[in-house]
Amino acid sequence: DAKTTQPNSMESNEEEPVHLPCNHSTISGTDYIHWYRQLPSQGPEYVIHGLTSNVNNRMASLAIAEDRKSSTLILHRATLRDAAVYYCILSGSGGSNYKLTFGKGTLLTVNP
Amino acid sequence: NAGVMQNPRHLVRRRGQEARLRCSPMKGHSHVYWYRQLPEEGLKFMVYLQKENIIDESGMPKERFSAEFPKEGPSILRIQQVVRGDSAAYFCASSPPSRADYNEQFFGPGTRLTVL
Repeated sequence: DAKTTQPNSMESNEEEPVHLPCNHSTISGTDYIHWYRQLPSQGPEYVIHGLTSNVNNRMASLAIAEDRKSSTLILHRATLRDAAVYYCILSGSGGSNYKLTFGKGTLLTVNP
Repeated sequence: NAGVMQNPRHLVRRRGQEARLRCSPMKGHSHVYWYRQLPEEGLKFMVYLQKENIIDESGMPKERFSAEFPKEGPSILRIQQVVRGDSAAYFCASSPPSRADYNEQFFGPGTRLTVL
């Protein structure tokens, strides 16, 4: 399985943008890039996913590098409720693409 | 639309007992996945089920663990003769058939199993 590398932790201030990086230099052409987050004592929550083009939804934006070896999750205005562990995950478009592999993720702290 | 429901939320068992974890997927979802999160680790895939079928159990330990998703009722993850190493958070996720290719899985709150 292709691996991802994320910083262990990041810190942000409330109402400021947050850019969470993810490196995936061994990504294959058919791997989707997914982001999930996990709040304390809760199950993971889907945030966004993409393949090649940048993506926007109500929660966040996903910026994918042209060579697809890295991506950035962008929270446009962090709130205290965004404090969580953020996971960047790769999965193939077929076969066992349902098999999400969670790493250690990035612990995001949001300061009031 | 209620989310994925898991019960119990906390379960305490003594070594050698059986643990039964239940998962009710979201309405209209026919795909269920179980994950285990050991302390200080990320979630690891265990098994993928559709109604009455096990699709992929490659992440399940070979012994003592089993899973089912009957035609009626919740999905059950069963751990026989629990040991201390089974202490973990067990998460269930579900997805509707139409979105399975995109892997958007909706997770429940988890069951935290403690083995004494």
